[in-house]
Amino acid sequence: AQTVTQSQPEMSVQEAETVTLSCTYDTSESDYYLFWYKQPPSRQMILVIRQEAYKQQNATENRFSVNFQKAAKSFSLKISDSQLGDAAMYFCAYRSAVLSGSARQLTFGSGTQLTVLP
Amino acid sequence: KAGVTQTPRYLIKTRGQQVTLSCSPISGHRSVSWYQQTPGQGLQFLFEYFSETQRNKGNFPGRFSGRQFSNSRSEMNVSTLELGDSALYLCASSWTSGGAHEQFFGPGTRLTVL
Repeated sequence: AQTVTQSQPEMSVQEAETVTLSCTYDTSESDYYLFWYKQPPSRQMILVIRQEAYKQQNATENRFSVNFQKAAKSFSLKISDSQLGDAAMYFCAYRSAVLSGSARQLTFGSGTQLTVLP
Repeated sequence: KAGVTQTPRYLIKTRGQQVTLSCSPISGHRSVSWYQQTPGQGLQFLFEYFSETQRNKGNFPGRFSGRQFSNSRSEMNVSTLELGDSALYLCASSWTSGGAHEQFFGPGTRLTVL
């Protein structure tokens, strides 16, 4: 079974600064998808960014980018020019590309609570 | 387009009771997944329904069950509630099952078991 590890339970960053959240995963598969989800205090989870494992190019979405290291099984999230609205719990998640049975489910890490300091 | 809605938002039950939670997916989405979120165990997958069929089930006891209707709305039921069932239950919908497709989450139902 795949596992996702987020080793930083809490992180803080000054407004306008850059912060990187870490995520590692364990899998024997070669094709899969990785996601970062954000859960603000309102509790509604929203997708921040996704990465297909077969793509070597790192995904970017405005101020959010990832550093995907497939060999190291590492998938970190970089938030540039941090804003107060970025404060939230961030979850890293894995999904297999196999379209059968348990492979469809998202496996989440334990989350990193990000605080943005004014 | 309306987002994923979950009802009720908050629920208080006592041990031994049963509860039914409801989830209405985004229009056009056929896949609905349920997750349990607790401080101790984090986010854990319960089950997924696609076109009224359960496609996948997580490692939860048989007290947890669900179903999906022809309009893609889904319900989950927990029978014989235990204190440990207190959690935030999240529903997520997507256009199809698996792959890179984004799952859109609802606001959750906060269940407290006394």
